[in-house]
Amino acid sequence: RKEVEQDPGPFNVPEGATVAFNCTYSNSASQSFFWYRQDCRKEPKLLMSVYSSGNEDGRFTAQLNRASQYISLLIRDSKLSDSATYLCVVNEYGQNFVFGPGTRLSVLP
Amino acid sequence: DTEVTQTPKHLVMGMTNKKSLKCEQHMGHRAMYWYKQKAKKPPELMFVYSYEKLSINESVPSRFSPECPNSSLLNLHLHALQPEDSALYLCASSQGRSGYEQYFGPGTRLTVT
Repeated sequence: RKEVEQDPGPFNVPEGATVAFNCTYSNSASQSFFWYRQDCRKEPKLLMSVYSSGNEDGRFTAQLNRASQYISLLIRDSKLSDSATYLCVVNEYGQNFVFGPGTRLSVLP
Repeated sequence: DTEVTQTPKHLVMGMTNKKSLKCEQHMGHRAMYWYKQKAKKPPELMFVYSYEKLSINESVPSRFSPECPNSSLLNLHLHALQPEDSALYLCASSQGRSGYEQYFGPGTRLTVT
C-alpha cells in the first residue's frame, strides 16, 4: 500500500470551474501536511500548508481530516495559470517528507 | 527570502566523467535534501543532511556521493553515471523539525550520454 495516494488524474476542466483534489495517507502519526504545485520542468513550489482547522488562501482552500487520514485541496474559479501538477506532501516527522504521485490539472480556455 | 539556488542548471556528462552539483540556501535551515525526479513522477528522495551530518541515505548507488561542507551548502558528486541516471536533480531545505515546509531549488537537469 502506498504511503500517500492521490487522485490519478489528469483533470481537464474549463476556465472558471471548481476542482477538488483528494489525498490520503497511511501513517496516522504524520505531523504536518502540504500542497505543492509543480509546473512542467520546474521545481515544486509550496502552495499551502494544511491545518486541522482548514485554511483558505484566495481561491484555494485546504482541509485536513486526521480521523480519516484525508487531505483535500479545492480550487475555485480556475485560471489557465492553475494548470500544473499538484503534489500532496506529508511530513511524518522531522526531515521525513513523503510525496504523493501528483495529480495533473489542465485548465482549458 | 525563501531561495534555494542550484548550479549548474543543465549538465551533460559522459559515463566516465566526474562532475558535481551544488546547492546553497541562506534561510538558516538545518536540513538539506537531494531528490531525483524522472518525468511524470514525484521527486524521489536520495539523501538528507541534518545539522551537516548525513541522516538518511535511501540506498543510493555509490556513484552518487553527497557532501555538506557547511550548513548552507550541499554538493552531490557524480562519477561513472549510467544513462538511466538522467533526470532532474532537486535540492531542498527545511527547518528540520516537524511542521515546517521544504523549499526547493530550481534543479539541475542532468543528461548522461
